[in-house]
Amino acid sequence: QQQVKQSPQSLIVQKGGISIINCAYENTAFDYFPWYQQFPGKGPALLIAIRPDVSEKKEGRFTISFNKSAKQFSLHIMDSQPGDSATYFCAAWHNAGNMLTFGGGTRLMVKP
Amino acid sequence: NAGVMQNPRHLVRRRGQEARLRCSPMKGHSHVYWYRQLPEEGLKFMVYLQKENIIDESGMPKERFSAEFPKEGPSILRIQQVVRGDSAAYFCASSPQATGNYGYTFGSGTRLTVV
Repeated sequence: QQQVKQSPQSLIVQKGGISIINCAYENTAFDYFPWYQQFPGKGPALLIAIRPDVSEKKEGRFTISFNKSAKQFSLHIMDSQPGDSATYFCAAWHNAGNMLTFGGGTRLMVKP
Repeated sequence: NAGVMQNPRHLVRRRGQEARLRCSPMKGHSHVYWYRQLPEEGLKFMVYLQKENIIDESGMPKERFSAEFPKEGPSILRIQQVVRGDSAAYFCASSPQATGNYGYTFGSGTRLTVV
């Protein structure tokens, strides 16, 4: 299966809190997992990415946790800021395919 | 180094007209991908092209939609005889390699409204 399931659909977090977005996949041939951030009226922008041979990757306030056995990965935004308010998409690349498969997106709102 | 350039940013077409969306990839990128985003939904793959070749069009509707990436000039996504259901944001992405391991770079999209 080529699906990537993302949850929650929407998330409200207080400033300074931790935002957590989860994704799950079925196809074990996926071998690259990026996260994209999209602001209204803009195209998605690559935020951070991970490969399945690594369990965690951190860049600044953004961390990806990867659980290969469970086929799940998540994005953690530490010290969430109002400027982080955007839609976040997880994605997966099939090692024999030709495209990224995207999750349905999570609309994050960080309240001041 | 300009990013992925898409134009127009907004396009309004009446039902039955043709819509032509253009995408110029980043300099040095020879792989182009088109995605469609319906309101409140995720991005759905449509087509993957390299210069003068369609590599994968498994996400393209069988009728009315076509794409090209000529040797010279931008990639074009063409929608003939548009219908209301074609209203969406269409994003183009480019990459320097044939795999997604470098991540795509997306353009800002073309928002098509069919009236």
